[in-house]
Amino acid sequence: DARVTQTPRHKVTEMGQEVTMRCQPILGHNTVFWYRQTMMQGLELLAYFRNRAPLDDSGMPKDRFSAEMPDATLATLKIQPSEPRDSAVYFCASGLGPRLGIGETQYFGPGTRLLVL
Amino acid sequence: SQQGEEDPQALSIQEGENATMNCSYKTSINNLQWYRQNSGRGLVHLILIRSNEREKHSGRLRVTLDTSKKSSSLLITASRAADTASYFCATDFGNEKLTFGTGTRLTIIP
Repeated sequence: DARVTQTPRHKVTEMGQEVTMRCQPILGHNTVFWYRQTMMQGLELLAYFRNRAPLDDSGMPKDRFSAEMPDATLATLKIQPSEPRDSAVYFCASGLGPRLGIGETQYFGPGTRLLVL
Repeated sequence: SQQGEEDPQALSIQEGENATMNCSYKTSINNLQWYRQNSGRGLVHLILIRSNEREKHSGRLRVTLDTSKKSSSLLITASRAADTASYFCATDFGNEKLTFGTGTRLTIIP
């Protein structure tokens, strides 16, 4: 049963600390998305990659957030330094890429619940 | 904002009844998708409807799309307790990204 996995599932940290979240996309998927979900803002797209290349990170605060794909099986999202307002659930999703006339279905991981004190 | 708006924000119905939720958006789309999110979990894709389709079925789910009104509806028939979740519409504007709506929180009362 192919699934997107994310680690850690929960993270509590203090303001100023570095946070690294990891995602393993479904094998064979060439697109990876990072989202942030909060009660106030809903689900926001932070960044996404296709074939490991970053295509759009306009939703990400550049001064403290960074996203990378070191290889096809691992995507990372880092926050340095973390702030209380970063507290949210961070989701990774993967997909096969848009197919002409069909569109892209995204497969979500279980999320990382981050609390910054 | 291109974000879709779901209506209602919350809905409670008795088990066995039908649930209808709506999604409105502002600009032309390539396709529209519906996702479900159970509490504490990630989103799960339910159904995709293309801009040239008007209705689509999947099991107990029926989705309609009215591009002239820029709206879609999701109907869940014969609801079950397990259908309790938040439901999101997501619009594909052709820029390779999905824009998710604000969600409808559905509660099925046993």
